[in-house]
Amino acid sequence: GENVEQHPSTLSVQEGDSAVIKCTYSDSASNYFPWYKQELGKRPQLIIDIRSNVGEKKDQRIAVTLNKTAKHFSLHITETQPEDSAVYFCAASIEQGDMRFGAGTRLTVKP
Amino acid sequence: DGGITQSPKYLFRKEGQNVTLSCEQNLNHDAMYWYRQDPGQGLRLIYYSQIVNDFQKGDIAEGYSVSREKKESFPLTVTSAQKNPTAFYLCASSHRGGANEKLFFGSGTQLSVL
Repeated sequence: GENVEQHPSTLSVQEGDSAVIKCTYSDSASNYFPWYKQELGKRPQLIIDIRSNVGEKKDQRIAVTLNKTAKHFSLHITETQPEDSAVYFCAASIEQGDMRFGAGTRLTVKP
Repeated sequence: DGGITQSPKYLFRKEGQNVTLSCEQNLNHDAMYWYRQDPGQGLRLIYYSQIVNDFQKGDIAEGYSVSREKKESFPLTVTSAQKNPTAFYLCASSHRGGANEKLFFGSGTQLSVL
């Protein structure tokens, strides 16, 4: 089955700097790559997603890039703010009910 | 924010005891999922259901059981066969269970062993 690896496991940046989180996946058939944000004590929420027919997608300060050849995708957060502090999970899916998550990255934005 | 509700928020299990975690959704979603979250391991799929009276095992189904008698409800039972049940359990739902669908998560249940 699909295996998703995520790194780094922890990331600390100064407010205003950029943060990049990277994920790799094993199954070339994966075609959907969402990113979820989980703030402390709260439920995970989808922040952005990308499909395999797209190379990059942006939403304000957040962007995701996908390299299908290399089987990796990345989350980019620019102009980080303290409220960006959370655990971020990447995921990949091939078919119904088959979404696999990375281990998560704990991002800390220092004011 | 409603939509998908998990209860209780905290649950304690005695050795040899079965416990059931509740998950209810009013989103009219067909598909529901149970994930286990351990520190440093992300979310691992326990069971999922795409339609009433049908469900499939995920990666770590051993020691767990589920039922899907109603579209709105997908309870998870942690049986005594699950030797390491302490974890944070998340229930989720999606519209049709398709591969490209957003998951809506509940607020979770923290299960601990006494």
